[in-house]
Amino acid sequence: NAGVMQNPRHLVRRRGQEARLRCSPMKGHSHVYWYRQLPEEGLKFMVYLQKENIIDESGMPKERFSAEFPKEGPSILRIQQVVRGDSAAYFCASSPGQGAGQNYGYTFGSGTRLTVV
Amino acid sequence: QQPVQSPQAVILREGEDAVINCSSSKALYSVHWYRQKHGEAPVFLMILLKGGEQKGHEKISASFNEKKQQSSLYLTASQLSYSGTYFCGTETNDYKLSFGAGTTVTVRA
Repeated sequence: NAGVMQNPRHLVRRRGQEARLRCSPMKGHSHVYWYRQLPEEGLKFMVYLQKENIIDESGMPKERFSAEFPKEGPSILRIQQVVRGDSAAYFCASSPGQGAGQNYGYTFGSGTRLTVV
Repeated sequence: QQPVQSPQAVILREGEDAVINCSSSKALYSVHWYRQKHGEAPVFLMILLKGGEQKGHEKISASFNEKKQQSSLYLTASQLSYSGTYFCGTETNDYKLSFGAGTTVTVRA
């Protein structure tokens, strides 16, 4: 049973380019969460998605960032016109259902390390 | 709103015990604990639901005080493999986890 698959593992972009990060959740998981982590810091929530729906994007910058989870295919986190401050590790996690006291944890992918040069 | 974790870091010798605390200012539905090794993904350890239960995973256990909105993670008889950064994740009524800043645990032989 494959876990959460993220690709690419490492991504280098020049300032002003676009970055596309992909996440395939675990089989049977329909809830996807994206988190951003700076070196030596915690995980900052960005966006929570279900198939074809954005449930909560309160942690995502209003400009340049967007996310989707189409009916078919992986979830995509897209960063347009990247700047040096976007350099970070981006983790995707999935769960089989919505939280609010349900008895399951998140399964995290290995992350995409984005470096903007 | 992010939960507050303490301490920021702890250094142990093999066999010693440690406690990591996590507190929130909001009413919690659940508390999760994860461990992350350097350069790797966070790994789920356990979840505690409302009701003040205590859970265990190997010699790692946790408790949840619902009234105080606090959780504690107990590392007992620590092993070298326990080294890593421990994060608590708190869930409120918005169905997502907010993570603390992490506690770095170093276990030395």
